[in-house]
Amino acid sequence: AQTIHQWPVAEIKAVGSPLSLGCTIKGKSSPNLYWYWQATGGTLQQLFYSITVGQVESVVQLNLSASRPKDDQFILSTEKLLLSHSGFYLCAWAPGGANQDTQYFGPGTRLLVL
Amino acid sequence: QQQVRQSSQSLTVWEGETAILNCSYENSAFDYFPWYQQFPGEGPALLIAIRSVSDKKEDGRFTIFFNKREKNLSLHIKDSQPGDSATYFCAASVASSGQKLVFGQGTILKVYL
Repeated sequence: AQTIHQWPVAEIKAVGSPLSLGCTIKGKSSPNLYWYWQATGGTLQQLFYSITVGQVESVVQLNLSASRPKDDQFILSTEKLLLSHSGFYLCAWAPGGANQDTQYFGPGTRLLVL
Repeated sequence: QQQVRQSSQSLTVWEGETAILNCSYENSAFDYFPWYQQFPGEGPALLIAIRSVSDKKEDGRFTIFFNKREKNLSLHIKDSQPGDSATYFCAASVASSGQKLVFGQGTILKVYL
């Protein structure tokens, strides 16, 4: 069975400080990977997706960047946090190939920027 | 422009009733429609999904009714339970594009005893 792990569970950071959030998928090779952002009480906004190692496509510009250093790992980062970065960050995966529609979400990382 | 729209921000039903959550979409190219259930502090969990070639999909107490001509769909939760109280998101994508899943604003469902 596939498992998805996100770290850290929660973060409190200062405006202007750097950030790195991680996501690991176990039990599935070559998944499609996604980052989403969710404001409190809001909808999910897709930020990035990756089909393969080393390739990341941006969907929305929010002064964030993403990287996929390994097949099972997806990293979201920024060098300088803004207040507007606060929210819930969700990593998701989908099977690669023909059945790539269904996305499965991780437990999320809660970020508060002060 | 809201590509996927959920008509109710919140819905309240009594235990045992059928909850009906409505969703509509703009893009005729959408052909895959999952519904997600999210509890506070957790990631969304896939509940049930339908492809546009079908007009109905059933899984236990959950049923999706899909109307391609009208570009709308609804999620019916039969025999609602307090444990069903959560936020429900309708989403849409172009099947096999694999990349962009567009979410509605969500409907908060409350089931009272």
